[in-house]
Amino acid sequence: DTAVSQTPKYLVTQMGNDKSIKCEQNLGHDTMYWYKQDSKKFLKIMFSYNNKELIINETVPNRFSPKSPDKAHLNLHINSLELGDSAVYFCASRGGISDTEAFFGQGTRLTVV
Amino acid sequence: AQKVTQAQTEISVVEKEDVTLDCVYETRDTTYYLFWYKQPPSGELVFLIRRNSFDEQNEISGRYSWNFQKSTSSFNFTITASQVVDSAVYFCARSNQAGTALIFGKGTTLSVSS
Repeated sequence: DTAVSQTPKYLVTQMGNDKSIKCEQNLGHDTMYWYKQDSKKFLKIMFSYNNKELIINETVPNRFSPKSPDKAHLNLHINSLELGDSAVYFCASRGGISDTEAFFGQGTRLTVV
Repeated sequence: AQKVTQAQTEISVVEKEDVTLDCVYETRDTTYYLFWYKQPPSGELVFLIRRNSFDEQNEISGRYSWNFQKSTSSFNFTITASQVVDSAVYFCARSNQAGTALIFGKGTTLSVSS
């Protein structure tokens, strides 16, 4: 029974296309995140939502737009994809204030060609 | 920036050796949390441990142990009697000031050979 699930796991697309990655968590958590892992394995926060409200928006191009239809879902839409967007994108969720660890999805490997 | 430093980029050991992964963090906060995550070759991120800044007791879980020392801002991770299945990238992380996100180190790639 997957706690944080992302789809798709792999995504290969051409430059200039628009694509979305979906994320769902069944843990009842209030907070969800998107992290990006680059080719050197460096992990960095992109966005954080708490109860459908954006609370962290790091320096990310505005071609990236997160959308949270409800607190169990946080989707990532990317417009006009560029080669440099190739990375692994991880969705994560966290419970309440005292639950500081994040639980991650399996990641989506995005390759822009 | 209050960063997390994992100075060891890659470590190679032979099975049954003990290995320690170093983690040094920067913070101006009095309350913060530290974490270790494992990323095996399959790519997922697996939570290993959380430690809050008020709890300096060392923790042991099977072959894994963690040494938290506030005086040196370190949170080191030791694997005893390493096994091939321990081969992975290990990330140390700390909570940001608001406690709302994780700041990761660059990871240490551990290779255990038989």
